[in-house]
Amino acid sequence: QQPVQSPQAVILREGEDAVINCSSSKALYSVHWYRQKHGEAPVFLMILLKGGEQKGHEKISASFNEKKQQSSLYLTASQLSYSGTYFCGTDGSGNTGKLIFGQGTTLQVKP
Amino acid sequence: DAGVIQSPRHEVTEMGQEVTLRCKPISGHNSLFWYRQTMMRGLELLIYFNNNVPIDDSGMPEDRFSAKMPNASFSTLKIQPSEPRDSAVYFCASSLEGSFGGYTFGSGTRLTVV
Repeated sequence: QQPVQSPQAVILREGEDAVINCSSSKALYSVHWYRQKHGEAPVFLMILLKGGEQKGHEKISASFNEKKQQSSLYLTASQLSYSGTYFCGTDGSGNTGKLIFGQGTTLQVKP
Repeated sequence: DAGVIQSPRHEVTEMGQEVTLRCKPISGHNSLFWYRQTMMRGLELLIYFNNNVPIDDSGMPEDRFSAKMPNASFSTLKIQPSEPRDSAVYFCASSLEGSFGGYTFGSGTRLTVV
């Protein structure tokens, strides 16, 4: 079952913050976040395991609420380099490593 | 490490022809995944291997698609015969089984079937 991401698209000015959400109808073991720039491959950002863990990567952090079967990606003080499409990938079957990806959220950061 | 290496980068072929896509995973990674990306369907998992063994091929669209992993350093995805609706970017990714490192994707093969 494909996770649902929201919003579908975001336009920001440099320095503004954004939140991208990822929801699943299934219980989750882990959630991955990736960023893909146009014409390139997705690049791994971070992984969160069940337990409500929050992780960070520079000014990008994420949380995972296993009860609500949701994860959120937080982008703080956005930079031009943050532009791209963000995907969450969910593993609902017990750390098989098999990810089902959401449809993606396109983020555009303007000067 | 050179990362996950895919070839060719671009492939244009005529409908009905056989297409073979190749992937070399990162050395030491024991899980390998084939994904297909289109605007309409996003990133779809086609098949994945653990320790060279196919674990789940439920995402393979139909019998025209087949994948092999004869050893830990090489995998192929074959489409025979190809159809225009197979046009997409095909990504190979590898990971350590159960690791916290996530997937490393190859640069992808852009397939156009005319």
